[in-house]
Amino acid sequence: EVQLLESGGGLVQPGGSLRLSCAASGFTFITYDMNWVRQAPGKGLEWVTGIDDMGRITYYADSVKGRFTISRDNSKNTLYLQMNDLRAEDTAVYYCAKHKSLGTILNTCYFDYWGQGTLVTVSS
Amino acid sequence: DIQMTQSPSSLSASVGDRVTITCRASQGISNNLAWYQQKPGKVPNLLIYAASTLQSGVPSRFSGSGSGTDFTLTISSLQPEDVATYYCQQYGVVPPGTFGQGTKLEIK
Repeated sequence: EVQLLESGGGLVQPGGSLRLSCAASGFTFITYDMNWVRQAPGKGLEWVTGIDDMGRITYYADSVKGRFTISRDNSKNTLYLQMNDLRAEDTAVYYCAKHKSLGTILNTCYFDYWGQGTLVTVSS
Repeated sequence: DIQMTQSPSSLSASVGDRVTITCRASQGISNNLAWYQQKPGKVPNLLIYAASTLQSGVPSRFSGSGSGTDFTLTISSLQPEDVATYYCQQYGVVPPGTFGQGTKLEIK
């Protein structure tokens, strides 16, 4: 059974940093591209960033570019999101999501499994 | 960057109705479009990918169509369990993964 378990969320002050983790199990992690998607309270889904299977190719939404960094440790089956210079508008539930299909990250960026999410609150 | 626009933003329909949700991309994306269903308090669920391919386990009353910039999600006969917010998502254009703003579907 595929499982994605996020952790690391919490309350942080504006300008602060946080690192999220997503522990994956039940599939061959090294084979699949992975992503982070967020959802502000009561709002829609916002794709944040994605990384290819080997960690060589990454994409970012303009809203987080230069502040967030996605990475992965395939030896630990874990996806990360380093978030710096956090702003109030970054407040959201952050989900990690697994690509359904194999192939180039750009052409397979849709997701068949999602974690339950971890809440990040940016407030003073 | 590419923009994905869904219409309507919300709709109310009766059980058994045929429901159509539209998604428009600001530039051509071939058939690189997915649809998700998100029920209240739940994580999103993949319904359709490649514009018209039904994800395994999704009821056949759901279907997708379109190519280029205009896409539709159709529910052929609305059921009470279909109450949810539906999102389209493009891939294939950088940055990948852009979602539409969502369509909230309720039962009349």
